Amino acid sequence: KTQVEQSPQSLVVRQGENCVLQCNYSVTPDNHLRWFKQDTGKGLVSLTVLVDQKDKTSNGRYSATLDKDAKHSTLHITATLLDDTATYICVVGDRGSALGRLHFGAGTQLIVIP
Amino acid sequence: DMKVTQMPRYLIKRMGENVLLECGQDMSHETMYWYRQDPGLGLQLIYISYDVDSNSEGDIPKGYRVSRKKREHFSLILDSAKTNQTSVYFCASSPRENTEVFFGKGTRLTVV
Repeated sequence: KTQVEQSPQSLVVRQGENCVLQCNYSVTPDNHLRWFKQDTGKGLVSLTVLVDQKDKTSNGRYSATLDKDAKHSTLHITATLLDDTATYICVVGDRGSALGRLHFGAGTQLIVIP
Repeated sequence: DMKVTQMPRYLIKRMGENVLLECGQDMSHETMYWYRQDPGLGLQLIYISYDVDSNSEGDIPKGYRVSRKKREHFSLILDSAKTNQTSVYFCASSPRENTEVFFGKGTRLTVV
């Protein structure tokens, strides 16, 4: 059973618009949650990591929230650019070290059009 | 420069042939991983290595084996490749003490 569900599966926005990506999970324990960006044919690049029970992070035009009570996270992208076209992957880690397991969502494919 | 390097980037093999995927990292990370990524699915863990000669099966180890003789190098071996092993394979590394993880660019393997 999939333990990390992402929505929507795909999303098309116009350049300059904002968008919100969702991540719901059932992983227990949930030590941390990380959002990755994966450009087509490339590896995963970390955007941000959330750790606290109710956490918020900001990294330029990317901001994220985590609510561990609801087991829910959002990734907001403000004023999208064409280079934001990519797959965004939500990953939940069950420990605070490399001894833990990472649980991957299938990703949200974002397409930014002119 | 922190980097995980995978070779080759693209590979086509016939069913039954042996396959060797190589991965290197320059960060002296103890932990290294092999994942595969298939359409519509999250990355699935094949093997994890906690250090030299300290390897453990992941969630889908069947049909694969690994080798780690040096900390900076982790190989994935497919003995007698099957068509259902067509996938994109990612190597990753992580320091033992925290949650950071660095991914290679992937190897696209096609078994025909």
